[in-house]
Amino acid sequence: EPEVTQTPSHQVTQMGQEVILRCVPISNHLYFYWYRQILGQKVEFLVSFYNNEISEKSEIFDDQFSVERPDGSNFTLKIRSTKLEDSAMYFCASQQVTLPGRDGYTFGSGTRLTVV
Amino acid sequence: QQQVKQSPQSLIVQKGGISIINCAYENTAFDYFPWYQQFPGKGPALLIAIRPDVSEKKEGRFTISFNKSAKQFSLHIMDSQPGDSATYFCAASMGTGGGNKLTFGTGTQLKVEL
Repeated sequence: EPEVTQTPSHQVTQMGQEVILRCVPISNHLYFYWYRQILGQKVEFLVSFYNNEISEKSEIFDDQFSVERPDGSNFTLKIRSTKLEDSAMYFCASQQVTLPGRDGYTFGSGTRLTVV
Repeated sequence: QQQVKQSPQSLIVQKGGISIINCAYENTAFDYFPWYQQFPGKGPALLIAIRPDVSEKKEGRFTISFNKSAKQFSLHIMDSQPGDSATYFCAASMGTGGGNKLTFGTGTQLKVEL
């Protein structure tokens, strides 16, 4: 079964440093997402990406965050200057179609980001 | 108005019993309601989903009941097994051309005891 692959599985970074979280979505999927989950809390939407541009972003996704799909296969989330409160599990997801026959997302296993 | 409320927060069920998790929403623009199962250290995995034009959907031991007028939906796990022990999230989304943001509930930790 096709998978969404995320690397690294765990990253520790110092406050103020830049981090890049990497994802390889399923190859024929067209819609890409980043979500985060602070330990013990619900999964929260960060951003959706379609046709090489951001289609929607949440209030969490401020100027410190950026996404790109540099080479047609990888999908990255960059946090420019990490804060302690950025510590969370970050999930990438991809989706084949949205309308009219919308299917479910496929989530990756996540990257646990720890900011110290 | 974008919230999805989920209950209970945790649930303990005996093996073979029925697990029931409930969710409620406010935004009537939501038109897709999936349930996700998450094991520790893993990403959420789609379990079953329903659209508001049907009141019930069954896949194996998992059933979604949907009440459009009450804006509520629930997951029933029949014959619950220890392997079902996980965190379950309900979610809701609405259709747009650029993607489908999922709004998740707060999650229910299910433990199935022998």
